[in-house]
Order: sequence, then structure tokens, then C-alpha cells
Amino acid sequence: DILMTQSPASLSASVGDRVTITCRASQSIRRFLNWYQQMPGKAPRLLIYAASNLQDEVPSRFSGSESGTDFTLTISSLQPEDFATYYCHQSYSTPWTFGQGTKVDLK
Amino acid sequence: QVQLQESGPGLVKPSQTLSLTCTVSDGSISSGAYNWTWIRQHPGKGLEWMGHIYDTENSSFNPSLKSRLTMSLDTSARQFSLKLTSVTAADTAVYFCGRVWFTYGLIDHWGQGALVTVSS
Repeated sequence: DILMTQSPASLSASVGDRVTITCRASQSIRRFLNWYQQMPGKAPRLLIYAASNLQDEVPSRFSGSESGTDFTLTISSLQPEDFATYYCHQSYSTPWTFGQGTKVDLK
Repeated sequence: QVQLQESGPGLVKPSQTLSLTCTVSDGSISSGAYNWTWIRQHPGKGLEWMGHIYDTENSSFNPSLKSRLTMSLDTSARQFSLKLTSVTAADTAVYFCGRVWFTYGLIDHWGQGALVTVSS
């Protein structure tokens, strides 16, 4: 199985902060990496697909990048509605696997 | 806008079979562009891919569940289903159904989730 190591597990930030979350794959997954946001008690929501493509209707403050097996989700200016848990997801090979999640809360 | 909705018992006894159905609100589920998936989330934990189904002949399951898992499609009813046999307390989770755009393997639409508790 491909292991997705996501960091940090949690972070505290303020509105307006720039936030970066990283996911490292245990082997090459090319660009088959997606990012999801999950609010408490809700289903995940797709933010970024194929490493850097913004899903429709997702604000442009969200962006994704890739460098080899390292993937980054950046929120350029954190908004109140962005406090949530974020997951990376590799869809390069089955079994698909997710990172452990990063909980973003208010400092 | 496509919507997905899980349905099924919220309580299952140990050793029995967990059965859930996902109803897709719009469009054909036999469209070539999409797979249909189940993801589960144990209480307070992360996401676990269970498997996905493309058509009645093509599916892929997580090896950790493969011996207990069945998925099926009912295209006329716009539904797909999950059966997990011989459940234990470790199968207590929120179960999400989802639509997969298989070109990128992204899950672009999700059901709201169904909590299934395994308990006697």
C-alpha cells in the first residue's frame, strides 16, 4: 500500500494567516493526489485534484503544488470558514489511501 | 447538481451483514466517466477507502476488506450498494458513498454519510 504521511497533524492559526499542509507519498504517485476539506459532522469536500487543479467553486486562496513525492496544500489567507480538517488522497494505485488529516483550528 | 444519499440500518449486530444503499439523484450511473465508491470513517479517525465499482463486471476492493465486501449497481434505480459480512465493533463507522471521476480518481460528490454502529 502507498503510505501518505501528512503533516502537521494539527495547527493553530489566525484569520489572514498563510497555512501550508504537506503530504509525502511513500512512492511515486505522479500527480494523482487530491485534497479534501472536512467540516465536523459533514462529508469531505474536494478542493484540489491532480495535485494543483482547483475544483469548481473552490476559492482561489486554496492552491496545491507538487515536488516529486511531496505535495503541498496552501491557504493563502485563512478565512473563518476554513477551520476544518484537511486530507490528502492518492488515487494512483489501489488500495487508495489517505493522509491522517490536518486539523486547522483557531489560535 | 448530483446528490448522493446513503440509506440503511444504523445498528447491526456482531457477526451479521451490514448493508447500505446509495441513491444518486440525477443522471445515469452507467455513464462511462464515473466509478462509484464507498469510504468509511471510524469515530474520530481518518478516511478509509473501501472500494469502488464501475459496472457489474468491474470493481476494486481494499484488500483489508475484500473477503467480506460486496458491491453492486442497480442502474435502473440509480443506486449502488455495499454489503459487509461478519461485522464486528471495529466496523462501527460513518459510511460515505461517493462519485469518482476516474480520469483523475477524484471523488467529486459525496453523500452526507451514514453512521452504522455494530453492537448487540
